[in-house]
Amino acid sequence: NAGVMQNPRHLVRRRGQEARLRCSPVKGHSHVYWYRQLPEEGLKFMVYLQKENIIDESGMPKERFSAEFPKEGPSILRIQQVVRGDSAAYFCASSPFSGATSGSYNEQFFGPGTRLTVL
Amino acid sequence: KQEVTQIPAALSVPEGENLVLNCSFTDSAIYNLQWFRQDPGKGLTSLLLIQSSQREQTSGRLNASLDKSSGRSTLYIAASQPGDSATYLCAVSINTNAGKSTFGDGTTLTVKP
Repeated sequence: NAGVMQNPRHLVRRRGQEARLRCSPVKGHSHVYWYRQLPEEGLKFMVYLQKENIIDESGMPKERFSAEFPKEGPSILRIQQVVRGDSAAYFCASSPFSGATSGSYNEQFFGPGTRLTVL
Repeated sequence: KQEVTQIPAALSVPEGENLVLNCSFTDSAIYNLQWFRQDPGKGLTSLLLIQSSQREQTSGRLNASLDKSSGRSTLYIAASQPGDSATYLCAVSINTNAGKSTFGDGTTLTVKP
């Protein structure tokens, strides 16, 4: 079974360009989470999506960042007009269930991350 | 707002020692707590998941405990090996259907041969 897949693994962009990060969850998982890890810092939650819906985007910057998880295909995290401060590792996680409502635990499986460098 | 703290930030031990990593959280209304391992420049590997109704979980040389009322978890590593050198992250999932996790900043462990 393939785990969470992210591509590209490394992405270099110049200031002002767009960055598109892709995440394919574990097969059968319908819940996707994006986290950002700045250099020398811990992981910070950005956004939680289910198929075709954004459930919680409280951690995502209001401008330039957007995320989607279409009915078909991978989840996409899009950063427009990148700045040097966007340089970080972006991790995607997936889970089969969502917490309390399902009565089941919510173990998250992480991908290898995309390391974005903005020149 | 949930805050997760991990102490110490870094730890260096000789091979063979038993050691304990600590994690504390401010809001006890958690759904579960997960310990991860992260190697430099790599992704996260899940080590142990403890549901809020559980007190501990064990996997091989690893044992994680959870005390919800005091907002604490520990990760115990027995007979440490150089291959255990990595950053260990603690993450708590809050008690709603949002499912998102709040991470600590991690403890970087070095096991010297």
